[in-house]
Amino acid sequence: EAGVAQSPRYKIIEKRQSVAFWCNPISGHATLYWYQQILGQGPKLLIQFQNNGVVDDSQLPKDRFSAERLKGVDSTLKIQPAKLEDSAVYLCASSLDRNPDTQYFGPGTRLTVL
Amino acid sequence: AQSVTQLGSHVSVSEGALVLLRCNYSSSVPPYLFWYVQYPNQGLQLLLKYTSAATLVKGINGFEAEFKKSETSFHLTKPSAHMSDAAEYFCAVTLRGSNYKLTFGKGTLLTVNP
Repeated sequence: EAGVAQSPRYKIIEKRQSVAFWCNPISGHATLYWYQQILGQGPKLLIQFQNNGVVDDSQLPKDRFSAERLKGVDSTLKIQPAKLEDSAVYLCASSLDRNPDTQYFGPGTRLTVL
Repeated sequence: AQSVTQLGSHVSVSEGALVLLRCNYSSSVPPYLFWYVQYPNQGLQLLLKYTSAATLVKGINGFEAEFKKSETSFHLTKPSAHMSDAAEYFCAVTLRGSNYKLTFGKGTLLTVNP
């Protein structure tokens, strides 16, 4: 079974530029999560989708971050414009249902904002 | 709101020695608790979980954890460390009825010395 795929794996941009990350969850997984992991901290949930609907986006900085999950399959997370403090690893996870013990994580995208 | 505190950002042990990684939680209702492991440049992998069944939980790679309500703790142990255990370990908590939103601790980096 293929795991959660993410691309790109690494991205370096300058502040005020825009960037997008892509995630393809495990086939058949209805729930998709985006986490932000800043160096030295644990992952923080940014947004949770159930199929193509948003379940929780309470910690998403909506003035600069946006995410979509069209057709309830793959998802894109965008930052526009980026700030220095956005430097982090962005992790995507998926689960077959809402039980968190079945969350499967992708390898992440490491973003560096200069 | 729930939270977890991981005591010790860095733990160093010798190969063959006991591994003890500490996690304390704060929750107003009975929690679900998890331990995840993250190897360099990889996503998170579930080690074990507590979901209100047996208080002593066994996971993969010889790890286990004991839920102690009186101490609000969920410490992770392994009797004998192996070089391959070197990684970062995260404790996480969630509550039923919260969309199973995971809240992670800051992580503990485990170093295993030969």
